[in-house]
Amino acid sequence: AQSVTQPDIHITVSEGASLELRCNYSYGATPYLFWYVQSPGQGLQLLLKYFSGDTLVQGIKGFEAEFKRSQSSFNLRKPSVHWSDAAEYFCAVAPAGGYQKVTFGTGTKLQVIP
Amino acid sequence: GAVVSQHPSRVICKSGTSVKIECRSLDFQATTMFWYRQFPKQSLMLMATSNEGSKATYEQGVEKDKFLINHASLTLSTLTVTSAHPEDSSFYICSANSGTESYEQYFGPGTRLTVT
Repeated sequence: AQSVTQPDIHITVSEGASLELRCNYSYGATPYLFWYVQSPGQGLQLLLKYFSGDTLVQGIKGFEAEFKRSQSSFNLRKPSVHWSDAAEYFCAVAPAGGYQKVTFGTGTKLQVIP
Repeated sequence: GAVVSQHPSRVICKSGTSVKIECRSLDFQATTMFWYRQFPKQSLMLMATSNEGSKATYEQGVEKDKFLINHASLTLSTLTVTSAHPEDSSFYICSANSGTESYEQYFGPGTRLTVT
């Protein structure tokens, strides 16, 4: 069965600092990988996704993620965090070609301090 | 484009009553819709997958008779929580997929259900 691990439950960064949110997955083959952001009381917004090809994926709001097959990781990064980035971030995985069974990680809550 | 709405955004109901939550794709036809449940400070748990015109496929442990899902059209799916109990209180989120190659799910804003 596929699974997603986000080891950091809560991260605090200063505004302007760089950010990296960790995500590791467990799956028999290379899956489809996603990062979503959720603001309080809201639904999820897709930041970026990886299906195949270039392992460095650019997303919206200045985010990027790198797929590393050898480490089964798909970490999310941003070079300079803005206060508006404070939210909950979910990594998700789905079987390649049949993504309907999306499995979400437990989420990382990002706090941004001035 | 690709907007999904949910109604209501918040609902409070008494124990034993039923409540219906609507999920609509506003600018695309959703061949498949998904219903998730999110407990406080936890991740999303898939409850069921529904395809237009057919019965929903429920995940293990989700009671079909308690969480009735109807996907009568390509733009509307409903989730009815029957005989609600306080433990059904949660944040319910739907998502929709258009069936295009992007395989992307578009999420609704969620519905906060409180059962008193």
